[in-house]
Amino acid sequence: AQKVTQAQTEISVVEKEDVTLDCVYETRDTTYYLFWYKQPPSGELVFLIRRNSFDEQNEISGRYSWNFQKSTSSFNFTITASQVVDSAVYFCALSELYSGAGSYQLTFGKGTKLSVIP
Amino acid sequence: DGGITQSPKYLFRKEGQNVTLSCEQNLNHDAMYWYRQDPGQGLRLIYYSQIVNDFQKGDIAEGYSVSREKKESFPLTVTSAQKNPTAFYLCASSIDLIQPQHFGDGTRLSIL
Repeated sequence: AQKVTQAQTEISVVEKEDVTLDCVYETRDTTYYLFWYKQPPSGELVFLIRRNSFDEQNEISGRYSWNFQKSTSSFNFTITASQVVDSAVYFCALSELYSGAGSYQLTFGKGTKLSVIP
Repeated sequence: DGGITQSPKYLFRKEGQNVTLSCEQNLNHDAMYWYRQDPGQGLRLIYYSQIVNDFQKGDIAEGYSVSREKKESFPLTVTSAQKNPTAFYLCASSIDLIQPQHFGDGTRLSIL
């Protein structure tokens, strides 16, 4: 079973439309971290946001906003008034640090390719 | 400017040959990582290093090896045991294991 599911493989929107990228995760840890990264065509991943499991506050940064809901194990990402420069692949990731065993796991979803059409 | 440098950008491997991908960072980060990305797939963790002279296997370590002799450097060797090495390889670093990661531009490895 996937630990991080991004059900939307590809999304196309027209410029200025709002778009929401879904992320559903699965973990048994009480302490974990969720991330969103953007991968433009150049290939380098760019960090967007980190959220820890104890902080369910929604976050807004400019045109970007994130909705974290532990009850549904979801961490969705919304872009308001999309622009062509938002075209990229967006990855959701889950980090689990098992303090007892000292092991570490970081799992990425398969990504959602967003195309913003002028 | 601080960042992560991966080289080369493109690499070709012959059958039975080992190749080494370079990753250098000047961010003074303790943790470093190697990922493999296949088309339409997310990133899969190959190896990670929490600190100098220490590294741990990720989800797909078979056929790969790493070393961490210096804080700044975390080279990845793709050995001949890796039967399907064609992929995009990304190196990353972070202050520690739970902090956001900074990524390099990647190395695209192909088989001749």
